[in-house]
Amino acid sequence: AQSVTQLGSHVSVSEGALVLLRCNYSSSVPPYLFWYVQYPNQGLQLLLKYTSAATLVKGINGFEAEFKKSETSFHLTKPSAHMSDAAEYFCAVASGSARQLTFGSGTQLTVLP
Amino acid sequence: DTGVSQNPRHKITKRGQNVTFRCDPISEHNRLYWYRQTLGQGPEFLTYFQNEAQLEKSRLLSDRFSAERPKGSFSTLEIQRTEQGDSAMYLCASSLGDGFNQPQHFGDGTRLSIL
Repeated sequence: AQSVTQLGSHVSVSEGALVLLRCNYSSSVPPYLFWYVQYPNQGLQLLLKYTSAATLVKGINGFEAEFKKSETSFHLTKPSAHMSDAAEYFCAVASGSARQLTFGSGTQLTVLP
Repeated sequence: DTGVSQNPRHKITKRGQNVTFRCDPISEHNRLYWYRQTLGQGPEFLTYFQNEAQLEKSRLLSDRFSAERPKGSFSTLEIQRTEQGDSAMYLCASSLGDGFNQPQHFGDGTRLSIL
């Protein structure tokens, strides 16, 4: 079964600093990877998806992620954090006949003023 | 695109009662998914429909859980004889097409609290 692991359940950065959220996948076939963001008491919003067309994927709100097959990673980055980026971030992989998403346990991002 | 709508947003009920949640997907989306999210965890897949057919339900947590999508549009998730452990956020998502890279669009969820 395919899975993802998110290293670091909590990450704190200062406003304007680089954001790096880590995700490693376990897959024997090309994975279909996604990053979602969840604000309190809301559902999940798609940030970006990996489609194998390019290893560097740009998403919404200035986020991007780089697919590295050699490291089985799909880390999420943003050059400059904003207070509004404070939220929980989930990495997910799609698999199975249902194309269901298997999520990591999430990373809570705190942005300090 | 009006987004995925879920009702109610919150449900508080006593242990042993039955509850039903509704999900209205994005209108042209043929796939509909239900997930459960407990505190501090990522969502966990429960079941999915392609149009009106429920093609995967082995992940439903017990036989107390059931889902329907009678006309291939909205869906309901029912939990019978609720237990304390059923307290969670129940999320619905929909997507268009069959590809693995088709993104799922999520509703804001129904938060269930069992007294």
